[in-house]
Amino acid sequence: ETGVTQTPRHLVMGMTNKKSLKCEQHLGHNAMYWYKQSAKKPLELMFVYSLEERVENNSVPSRFSPECPNSSHLFLHLHTLQPEDSALYLCASSQDVLTGARTDTQYFGPGTRLTVL
Amino acid sequence: AQTVTQSQPEMSVQEAETVTLSCTYDTSESDYYLFWYKQPPSRQMILVIRQEAYKQQNATENRFSVNFQKAAKSFSLKISDSQLGDAAMYFCAYRSGTASKLTFGTGTRLQVTL
Repeated sequence: ETGVTQTPRHLVMGMTNKKSLKCEQHLGHNAMYWYKQSAKKPLELMFVYSLEERVENNSVPSRFSPECPNSSHLFLHLHTLQPEDSALYLCASSQDVLTGARTDTQYFGPGTRLTVL
Repeated sequence: AQTVTQSQPEMSVQEAETVTLSCTYDTSESDYYLFWYKQPPSRQMILVIRQEAYKQQNATENRFSVNFQKAAKSFSLKISDSQLGDAAMYFCAYRSGTASKLTFGTGTRLQVTL
């Protein structure tokens, strides 16, 4: 496989469930990102990882817990979510968070459509 | 804080015609990058074109080109010879030269008609 992959593509869960979203990048990148895309709203950056260390956490509720075991994999663990958390969750990767190449383009996965009942 | 505004929620263009999607942004920085991403109905976000703020020359990528007006903080996308496969949501995005965060606009849905 090439690029950035995400599983599952669709997820329906109750508010008391625990589930995890998985992202894998096959681009040899060092930085990975989680975004939330809700209808009628701009994409919201949730977390940034560089070389497996979290470098940014944008005031995301603790019911979202990221994990980056290596530079190719990123997880988003979900627990006790609310219906308003229903959205498309996008993963992205880039060569690095900041590079001498200056234009550090982010490449996106297809997303996981999450529905919280 | 930086903001990105896309004032056109929806646009329509006939096949083979040209369309321009508008984007304005607000920043006090001089070093930054601008991007246009395309999100087809299958949902995978794809980079269309990018522009470095320090470059005066407008970026082009085949049928896609931008009109970058730094003083006006405007970054419009022109699609020439529109094709059915161009139908998608188009997002304008901003990235500071010193940070990783992408700030996105709300998107423009482009329809391509026969």
